[in-house]
Amino acid sequence: EPEVTQTPSHQVTQMGQEVILRCVPISNHLYFYWYRQILGQKVEFLVSFYNNEISEKSEIFDDQFSVERPDGSNFTLKIRSTKLEDSAMYFCASSRTSGDNEQFFGPGTRLTVL
Amino acid sequence: AQSVTQLDSQVPVFEEAPVELRCNYSSSVSVYLFWYVQYPNQGLQLLLKYLSGSTLVKGINGFEAEFNKSQTSFHLRKPSVHISDTAEYFCAVCRGGATNKLIFGTGTLLAVQP
Repeated sequence: EPEVTQTPSHQVTQMGQEVILRCVPISNHLYFYWYRQILGQKVEFLVSFYNNEISEKSEIFDDQFSVERPDGSNFTLKIRSTKLEDSAMYFCASSRTSGDNEQFFGPGTRLTVL
Repeated sequence: AQSVTQLDSQVPVFEEAPVELRCNYSSSVSVYLFWYVQYPNQGLQLLLKYLSGSTLVKGINGFEAEFNKSQTSFHLRKPSVHISDTAEYFCAVCRGGATNKLIFGTGTLLAVQP
């Protein structure tokens, strides 16, 4: 059964460093998403991506964040200069269509900023 | 804007007992409703979804949910739980159309005891 994969499973970084979180969505899916879950809090939407551009982003997704689909299979989230409050579990998801279609989630990357 | 409320942060229940996990939502427009489950150290897996039609929807692992428009609720039920159902359960809404982000509740930990 196809699944969304994410690497690494755990990333530890120093404050101010850049990190890139990687995701491989399901191959025939067209919509891609990043969500995050700060420990003990709800899962929050960050950004959605379709047709090689951002279709929607939340207020969390500021200039420090960027997304890219560099090669037709990977979907990356870059945080340019990490802050302590960026520590969270980051989930990638993909769906075949929008709206009523199921979003399939990856296992997540736990980001720890020291 | 849409919001989701899961009033119960934790629901302890004995094995083979019935369970109901509550979810209420707020929206000025029609939404799609979802329940996701998160097992320890794993990503989010879709249990069931309500798009339209019959208000009682059945999902995987014996779970079902009922959409009640007048009460803006989408409670999740299972008539007899197993130890393996111990997990975090998230209710989510999606407006669909141009925006397909999922808005999650804070989650309910279902703790099944022998």
